[in-house]
Amino acid sequence: NAGVTQTPKFRVLKTGQSMTLLCAQDMNHEYMYWYRQDPGMGLRLIHYSVGEGTTAKGEVPDGYNVSRLKKQNFLLGLESAAPSQTSVYFCASLWRTNSPLHFGNGTRLTVT
Amino acid sequence: AQSVSQHNHHVILSEAASLELGCNYSYGGTVNLFWYVQYPGQHLQLLLKYFSGDPLVKGIKGFEAEFIKSKFSFNLRKPSVQWSDTAEYFCAVMAGNNRKLIWGLGTSLAVNP
Repeated sequence: NAGVTQTPKFRVLKTGQSMTLLCAQDMNHEYMYWYRQDPGMGLRLIHYSVGEGTTAKGEVPDGYNVSRLKKQNFLLGLESAAPSQTSVYFCASLWRTNSPLHFGNGTRLTVT
Repeated sequence: AQSVSQHNHHVILSEAASLELGCNYSYGGTVNLFWYVQYPGQHLQLLLKYFSGDPLVKGIKGFEAEFIKSKFSFNLRKPSVQWSDTAEYFCAVMAGNNRKLIWGLGTSLAVNP
């Protein structure tokens, strides 16, 4: 039982390049989330999904897109990377509202 | 707007000292409350949670937290910290049936051996 798996673990991009981060969970959770974590700013919600085929914006959605074509996968895309998107990205999933979030191990992204 | 406030941004303690980290939230209805810990270079792990019932909840590694509804608080405590408790601690609140967690900014704890 892998829980929440994020790929890749590390990535370096040049400004303007695009990439997709993959989050996969094997717990049949309905809800999935993408956060970014920056020093002194805690966790900020980028986008989230309350079920297969649905997505919604969080606090800081600009410059990112997401898709949830399959229940177990939640993809985060950067269309044109900017240095301000240098961060650690965490995916999380949730079974129901009175249960805890399960986090992936994070992706450290550097945009130069 | 709903918010979570963690009063201490950086805490430095010696081993065996007692710990209390403050967390207050702003929401008048039913809440689910969480403390997560993030050890250096790792992802967030659940320390403890409160959904209902006994307001004093015990978590892993000797941590506990008390929910005081009248004060909108959920403070984290540990009687005697260890060097291995060095980490960042996050308080989070899920308000009502909202499916999003509201996070505090975190408290960085350093325990000196």
